[in-house]
Amino acid sequence: TQLLEQSPQFLSIQEGENLTVYCNSSSVFSSLQWYRQEPGEGPVLLVTVVTGGEVKKLKRLTFQFGDARKDSSLHITAAQPGDTGLYLCAGMNSGGSNYKLTFGKGTLLTVNP
Amino acid sequence: NAGVTQTPKFQVLKTGQSMTLQCAQDMNHEYMSWYRQDPGMGLRLIHYSVGAGITDQGEVPNGYNVSRSTTEDFPLRLLSAAPSQTSVYFCASSYSLSGWSYEQYFGPGTRLTVT
Repeated sequence: TQLLEQSPQFLSIQEGENLTVYCNSSSVFSSLQWYRQEPGEGPVLLVTVVTGGEVKKLKRLTFQFGDARKDSSLHITAAQPGDTGLYLCAGMNSGGSNYKLTFGKGTLLTVNP
Repeated sequence: NAGVTQTPKFQVLKTGQSMTLQCAQDMNHEYMSWYRQDPGMGLRLIHYSVGAGITDQGEVPNGYNVSRSTTEDFPLRLLSAAPSQTSVYFCASSYSLSGWSYEQYFGPGTRLTVT
């Protein structure tokens, strides 16, 4: 079973601060996705990274896929209360036709005004 | 498009009862999945389907059955509910961007309590 470890598990910061969330594994993934989930709702896809070393930006969010495709990070610049939520990373198994995603346990972010 | 819809939104069952959680999608996605989400455990895959008539087990399939008779619908059946099945259940549908990536669209979830 491939595991994804997310850190930190909880993060509480003030509006305007920067933060980084990490997603690490000992396994190689063919692609990695980041989702955000708000209370009472299903996760919503933010980004998919496929190539080792790839960096994608979504407004104030920057996503990076590690060179070896075993880890990823999410950096938020100047966090806002609207960024509050559970951030989940999910990896797709490398090779074959395996469709299954492996999810990390998530980072619960609270941005205080 | 409604996207992925799930019913009911909330459900309380007694131990031993059976029920079906409904899931439908109107995006003509080939792939569909069921997950459960428990505190501190993240999302765990129960069953998935890669097309009508094809289903397979995920990480935690025991106590659950699925079928996929149409592209749109993917119901999840609890055969004999147990307190350990108290959880939030999410259905997701997906399409393939390429052979390496399947972006998932989640429903709003069903919160199930088994007493």
